[in-house]
Amino acid sequence: GAVVSQHPSWVICKSGTSVKIECRSLDFQATTMFWYRQFPKQSLMLMATSNEGSKATYEQGVEKDKFLINHASLTLSTLTVTSAHPEDSSFYICSARDWSGQNYEQYFGPGTRLTVT
Amino acid sequence: QQQVKQSPQSLIVQKGGISIINCAYENTAFDYFPWYQQFPGKGPALLIAIRPDVSEKKEGRFTISFNKSAKQFSLHIMDSQPGDSATYFCAANRHKLVFGAGTILRVKS
Repeated sequence: GAVVSQHPSWVICKSGTSVKIECRSLDFQATTMFWYRQFPKQSLMLMATSNEGSKATYEQGVEKDKFLINHASLTLSTLTVTSAHPEDSSFYICSARDWSGQNYEQYFGPGTRLTVT
Repeated sequence: QQQVKQSPQSLIVQKGGISIINCAYENTAFDYFPWYQQFPGKGPALLIAIRPDVSEKKEGRFTISFNKSAKQFSLHIMDSQPGDSATYFCAANRHKLVFGAGTILRVKS
């Protein structure tokens, strides 16, 4: 299957600072990427959908000024957590769709563990 | 209408047995039904997926059964192995994936 990578795999930052997480589709082009958040022992919660070259669409309740998403190319999307606070500590996972003909499969990255101290 | 209900919440199976996880949905506009396997601290890995024009799909030990009229789909893991112990998520897609709550599978050796 297709490969989605994330960097960094884990990050620790101090409260009030910003953190950027990168998501790359390694062997396919992704016009659409998704950002999820996952709390321990819970399912995945969609934060936003990012389309290459346009503004991201945020889910209800997700602060777009806090979670900045940029999808500047067909293989790269970034999530920046601005002015991070301890409650932003979580597992962030990106996902991308690999289109083959008229159908697609959706793949996930390995995730980024963010800890805000 | 956007929900996907997954059961059971947890499952213990003996090595070599069959693991069965079920999901139900309401929105008939869903057009893609994947299953993901997730190990602790890792991202979900796509196991197998099906589209509503097919009633069954098999890949190795993993089979999806899809019942369009009942709006249900299930994952069968044949010859379950301890290495299959993980959390499994079903999902359904219209414009974005809607996930089930997950099933923690433990395969006893």
